[in-house]
Amino acid sequence: DAGVTQSPTHLIKTRGQQVTLRCSPKSGHDTVSWYQQALGQGPQFIFQYYEEEERQRGNFPDRFSGHQFPNYSSELNVNALLLGDSALYLCASSLRGEQYFGPGTRLTVT
Amino acid sequence: QKEVEQDPGPLSVPEGAIVSLNCTYSNSAFQYFMWYRQYSRKGPELLMYTYSSGNKEDGRFTAQVDKSSKYISLFIRDSQPSDSATYLCAMSAWTNAGNMLTFGGGTRLMVKP
Repeated sequence: DAGVTQSPTHLIKTRGQQVTLRCSPKSGHDTVSWYQQALGQGPQFIFQYYEEEERQRGNFPDRFSGHQFPNYSSELNVNALLLGDSALYLCASSLRGEQYFGPGTRLTVT
Repeated sequence: QKEVEQDPGPLSVPEGAIVSLNCTYSNSAFQYFMWYRQYSRKGPELLMYTYSSGNKEDGRFTAQVDKSSKYISLFIRDSQPSDSATYLCAMSAWTNAGNMLTFGGGTRLMVKP
């Protein structure tokens, strides 16, 4: 049973560009959450998707947007990248309470 | 003040020691409490998941929750070098609006052979 998968593993972007990160949830899970983890800090909640709708959102600007597809996979989009957006982006999937994380996508903005 | 506070460490112990990791929190709405282990440059791995107050044991790991004191702990018995990692506590209020996790900053643990 494959766990949570994310792609790409690592990418480098320039300030002002846009980026799309992808997540496939654990088999049987219907809820996907996205988190941003800066170096040396705990993950910060960005938003959560359930039934293809954004159900809950953290304190992130509108430059951060997402989508959930009918197969429960999800995308995170970040527009107008800033240097401060450099971080590990984590996707977590769940069915009820327990959230299981993927390996993350490391984004570097130069 | 952060909603969830966690000593960043590093905490260095000899192999075989009992390790105690702790978090305090301020939001009394939190009902679900988790501990994750994160190796360098990897995603967090769920270790323990508990609801409300009480203890939960799983192998060498014991999680304790004291809601009256807003204090949670993770104990690791017979610590091994492979336990060296960053340990993150996380909490959730879980409402109909969702169950976002609020994390502590993580404690870095080093177990020396």
